[in-house]
Amino acid sequence: GENVEQHPSTLSVQEGDSAVIKCTYSDSASNYFPWYKQELGKGPQLIIDIRSNVGEKKDQRIAVTLNKTAKHFSLHITETQPEDSAVYFCAASRKNNNNDMRFGAGTRLTVKP
Amino acid sequence: DGGITQSPKYLFRKEGQNVTLSCEQNLNHDAMYWYRQDPGQGLRLIYYSQIVNDFQKGDIAEGYSVSREKKESFPLTVTSAQKNPTAFYLCASSLGLKETQYFGPGTRLLVL
Repeated sequence: GENVEQHPSTLSVQEGDSAVIKCTYSDSASNYFPWYKQELGKGPQLIIDIRSNVGEKKDQRIAVTLNKTAKHFSLHITETQPEDSAVYFCAASRKNNNNDMRFGAGTRLTVKP
Repeated sequence: DGGITQSPKYLFRKEGQNVTLSCEQNLNHDAMYWYRQDPGQGLRLIYYSQIVNDFQKGDIAEGYSVSREKKESFPLTVTSAQKNPTAFYLCASSLGLKETQYFGPGTRLLVL
């Protein structure tokens, strides 16, 4: 079955710097890759996603890149702000079915003011 | 105010006791899900339901049971057969299996 690994487990950056979180997946048939943000005491919230027919997607300060050959994808946050502090999860799915989703272990991002 | 709610926020279970976690949504979503979240691990799917009166086992269904008698509600029972129930439980819903999932705030279950 699919296995998703996420690195680093914790990340601390200074406000205004960039943050990069990386995930690798094992199943070459995976074709949908969402990223979730989980703030303290809340459930995860989808922030951006990418499908396997696209190499990069950007939404304001957030971007995701996908390398299908290497089977890894990354989340990039530019000009970080203290409110970006949260736990971020990557996931991968073969059929874009929620019951087939495999999640990474999460990255705790801290943005220092 | 639309959304997905879970109660209680914290729940304590004694040995040999069954406990039920509540999940309600007013988003008119057909699909609902239960996940378990443990420290240092990704979310793992316990059960999911595509539609009322139907539900399927996820990856770690043993020791859990669910029901889906109403579209809005998908309660999860943690039975005494679940030997390691201490975890953070997340409920989610979506229009369909291929649509974006919306998560509730979670319930933290602790064993006394």
